[in-house]
Amino acid sequence: NAGVTQTPKFQVLKTGQSMTLQCAQDMNHEYMSWYRQDPGMGLRLIHYSVGAGITDQGEVPNGYNVSRSTTEDFPLRLLSAAPSQTSVYFCASMRRSVNTIYFGEGSWLTVV
Amino acid sequence: TQLLEQSPQFLSIQEGENLTVYCNSSSVFSSLQWYRQEPGEGPVLLVTVVTGGEVKKLKRLTFQFGDARKDSSLHITAAQPGDTGLYLCAGASRPGAQKLVFGQGTRLTINP
Repeated sequence: NAGVTQTPKFQVLKTGQSMTLQCAQDMNHEYMSWYRQDPGMGLRLIHYSVGAGITDQGEVPNGYNVSRSTTEDFPLRLLSAAPSQTSVYFCASMRRSVNTIYFGEGSWLTVV
Repeated sequence: TQLLEQSPQFLSIQEGENLTVYCNSSSVFSSLQWYRQEPGEGPVLLVTVVTGGEVKKLKRLTFQFGDARKDSSLHITAAQPGDTGLYLCAGASRPGAQKLVFGQGTRLTINP
């Protein structure tokens, strides 16, 4: 009954450091996405993937990279962390042709 | 660019009162969804409305999709402390679209 699993839950980074947020889903969903959530701004799409080997940019992609080597996994990489990337990050998955999104529990990232 | 504006952004009322949250846009959406998010967790889907004028009820929650499919409302009757949370609306431009547009959210607090 795992659904969408994100790790780590909390992370503090120094400016300039890199890290990877892990995301895995066990529902065999074709679509996976990463969002960031900031106060008063709702959820903003960073990157998304419609299937293994295919990724595309969302609304706020700068400073982030993704890859989709398998259907299950969709890691998000911060290349050189900046304080502006302090946020809560949500990974999500969705079955093709069904608009229901399943979200992970979130990763709280602070860049100092 | 499609935008969804939610109002109010913050709402604090007493237990037993009624309330309505609005989600408005100048764009037409194929469907609109409402999510509820509790602290420390990811958003969870409450309902999807797909037909203009559609009304759906979920216990004390009533969701309506505007006739022109540009807006939606969430009405809660006799609010309870358990209704406290962040409510998000999200719109899909076409059936099966992976890229949903999210409103900025309404933070609802129900005081005992």
